Parts: sequence; C-alpha cells; structure tokens
Amino acid sequence: DGGITQSPKYLFRKEGQNVTLSCEQNLNHDAMYWYRQDPGQGLRLIYYSQIVNDFQKGDIAEGYSVSREKKESFPLTVTSAQKNPTAFYLCASSIVGQGGMAFFGQGTRLTVV
Amino acid sequence: QKEVEQNSGPLSVPEGAIASLNCTYSDRGSQSFFWYRQYSGKSPELIMSIYSNGDKEDGRFTAQLNKASQYVSLLIRDSQPSDSATYLCAVMVDNAGNMLTFGGGTRLMVKP
Repeated sequence: DGGITQSPKYLFRKEGQNVTLSCEQNLNHDAMYWYRQDPGQGLRLIYYSQIVNDFQKGDIAEGYSVSREKKESFPLTVTSAQKNPTAFYLCASSIVGQGGMAFFGQGTRLTVV
Repeated sequence: QKEVEQNSGPLSVPEGAIASLNCTYSDRGSQSFFWYRQYSGKSPELIMSIYSNGDKEDGRFTAQLNKASQYVSLLIRDSQPSDSATYLCAVMVDNAGNMLTFGGGTRLMVKP
C-alpha cells in the first residue's frame, strides 16, 4: 500500500534533548513537508523540500532542522533550541507545486517531560 | 502576516441538515483554496479544492469561493454523525504551490 509512515506515534523528550521524528513515503512524491499543530489550532509549516538535498524554511523553522538525503525520507529534528516543542507533528507529501493536495502521515505526538 | 480565519465552533447541526462552514483570508493574491477534514487525534485529509469564483460540488460537499470578498465556504448537505470532525480551511500563499496557510479549524458536531 502506498502512503506516508511517521514514527514513533508518541515521543517523550526531556528538557535539553534533541529528538528526531521519522517520515517515510512510498508515493513517489518529490515534495515533502513538516507541519506543527497545537491543540485547537491549525497547522503551521516548519520546513518543506521539493528535491533531494534541498529544503526551505517555513513559517516556524526556528529550533528545528531537517535533512533530505533520499527521496523517500524527510526526518525532522526538534532541537533543544525549540522552547515549546510539545505539539502534534505532521509530515506530508505531494507532487511538486501541488502542496494543497497533500497526503499526510498519521502524526507524532511529542511531549516534553 | 498572511492570515486565514475560521470560527472555532463548535457548530452543532441536526442529522440531515446543511452544515455551513466559513473561512476568510487576508492575501488578495491567493489563488488556490482547500478544505481538509480532521477527526480527533488523526491527520487531515483533503476533501475539496477550489480555484475559481463560484461553486464546486462533489457529492454532499459544495465549496464556494468569492475572491472579491475574500471568503471560502464549505456546505455539507444531509449531514451525518460521521461528518463530526474539525474542518480546516487552507490557502496557498505562494505561486510555487508549496506554502499552505491553514485556518484554526471549525469543529462540527452532527447530532443524531
């Protein structure tokens, strides 16, 4: 089955730690995205990538980093510089230029403990 | 700051009624508009897209766009309890088609 897989589903982070969220897709999409969703709010774009080895900052990139070494994979690292990382993180993919027609993974819920 | 505004709700409608969800946006140059449905604790799924003024129908869903007034709406006819979810309005704010701005969502409750 084609789709997007995010792991883990739940993640707990201690203060000062970096954590990496995994996102893998087998839809053969070139474009991939990371969004953050806070309770009762919409999604905000963190980073996006249109091609391997290239990515662009979204609206709230501070405290996050990404890599795109393979077309299928777009991991997100939440660094210790992100002061309020507790949120629901969603990865998505699409055909390039069709970011509105995105397919989403099931999300990772990150909690700082 | 390019903004997309939605009433957070909850909007409560009886089963079988028409649910009307509204969204306004600030960037007059926006060209592409989308409605996503998100069940509690789940990821969003695309249900409608609209690009030109007027109505676009798909089954029980109708999207309406008025660029002059900068609003987008979603009508759900014959609402079912399974339609109970949060509906997110999203606007494409860059010409390259990469940067979506989402509204905060409207929570819809359809009561049997």
